[in-house]
Amino acid sequence: GIQVEQSPPDLILQEGANSTLRCNFSDSVNNLQWFHQNPWGQLINLFYIPSGTKQNGRLSATTVATERYSLLYISSSQTTDSGVYFCAGYYNTDKLIFGTGTRLQVFP
Amino acid sequence: GAGVSQSPSNKVTEKGKDVELRCDPISGHTALYWYRQRLGQGLEFLIYFQGNSAPDKSGLPSDRFSAERTGESVSTLTIQRTQQEDSAVYLCASSWLGQGAGEAFFGQGTRLTVV
Repeated sequence: GIQVEQSPPDLILQEGANSTLRCNFSDSVNNLQWFHQNPWGQLINLFYIPSGTKQNGRLSATTVATERYSLLYISSSQTTDSGVYFCAGYYNTDKLIFGTGTRLQVFP
Repeated sequence: GAGVSQSPSNKVTEKGKDVELRCDPISGHTALYWYRQRLGQGLEFLIYFQGNSAPDKSGLPSDRFSAERTGESVSTLTIQRTQQEDSAVYLCASSWLGQGAGEAFFGQGTRLTVV
């Protein structure tokens, strides 16, 4: 079936630590995106990354489409990184479906 | 507009009443999506529109839910005879779908509380 799976489901870090979040997706899902949902519920676009690697400050993402996974790297984490991270992809090029999310808590 | 706009931001309604939620997509975006997010949960797909094609309604949870979109502009999500289980944040997103799917952007959501 159509699946977008994320791991780990929960992650607790101390400020300054690095982390890697993973998104596995099934056939027919492509054009991956990563979002951060902040504590106020707003979904913030992090990366639109169908393939390859992108970096934005302390965050970077890599998608290996042929192996059906994407990784989000957070370096030197800060308390403001807390929230839920979602990956999403398009099924059959048009229906946007979401993973179950990774809940990140960063403590000072 | 510059971003996806949803209204109202918050809505409190009595059980049994009908509500209408509105979404203004980014200008030029052909696709529009509605999702529901219950407290502490993930995003539950409801419906999506793409251009003039028939909408994909496969996620609507019951016949009390319906949505319309005029062309590539505003969409309204209507919930009839609201129930307490309908309490959630309703999120709208839009994207451009042409040769390949484009980046999707979300509105700030409508928080619906049914009392």
